[in-house]
Amino acid sequence: AQKITQTQPGMFVQEKEAVTLDCTYDTSDQSYGLFWYKQPSSGEMIFLIYQGSYDEQNATEGRYSLNFQKARKSANLVISASQLGDSAMYFCASPGGGNKLTFGTGTQLKVEL
Amino acid sequence: EPEVTQTPSHQVTQMGQEVILRCVPISNHLYFYWYRQILGQKVEFLVSFYNNEISEKSEIFDDQFSVERPDGSNFTLKIRSTKLEDSAMYFCASDPNRGNEQFFGPGTRLTVL
Repeated sequence: AQKITQTQPGMFVQEKEAVTLDCTYDTSDQSYGLFWYKQPSSGEMIFLIYQGSYDEQNATEGRYSLNFQKARKSANLVISASQLGDSAMYFCASPGGGNKLTFGTGTQLKVEL
Repeated sequence: EPEVTQTPSHQVTQMGQEVILRCVPISNHLYFYWYRQILGQKVEFLVSFYNNEISEKSEIFDDQFSVERPDGSNFTLKIRSTKLEDSAMYFCASDPNRGNEQFFGPGTRLTVL
């Protein structure tokens, strides 16, 4: 995808609640993928989940799932049963030509007690 | 579990000096990347590397930048004459070419004074 949009600069969620982080994309490619990465305050980029455009099922990895709506060009990340350790910056990204990733501007998630 | 490693974790340099940032990608991966993240901003693609040559580079990756894979394991990013605006977190990533996983190293925080 050539452009990734994350419209939520910051989100708050109560511990143990679910939260949805929004991501929309713009692409003319027929085949593409969407990634989500977590960046804690220590700075590293942690791969969370991937969804391919031709995958029929929404991707799931533990407490992370992708709500992929192709017609709306959205690939929202759902985190279930939020934990304090989920507080971090979350980036949506997609490969363009040659597999380079284009990132969104990120959403800062804060999990509260 | 194999991981991408980067050294050093922090680098402070004077403007105009050359720096070399080092990365060891995951051993059976085929594509290698450098990205940078200026503080508080999104992650930006710099360059991708495949089969011992640059496969794609962004407009950021000007003549001051170069990459090398000198010995089949290390992957380096050199900045010849650093500028203040080169201060950023630099991430190395590698990809087994399945297109659905791109693993990032922990990053090198470069500060140019």
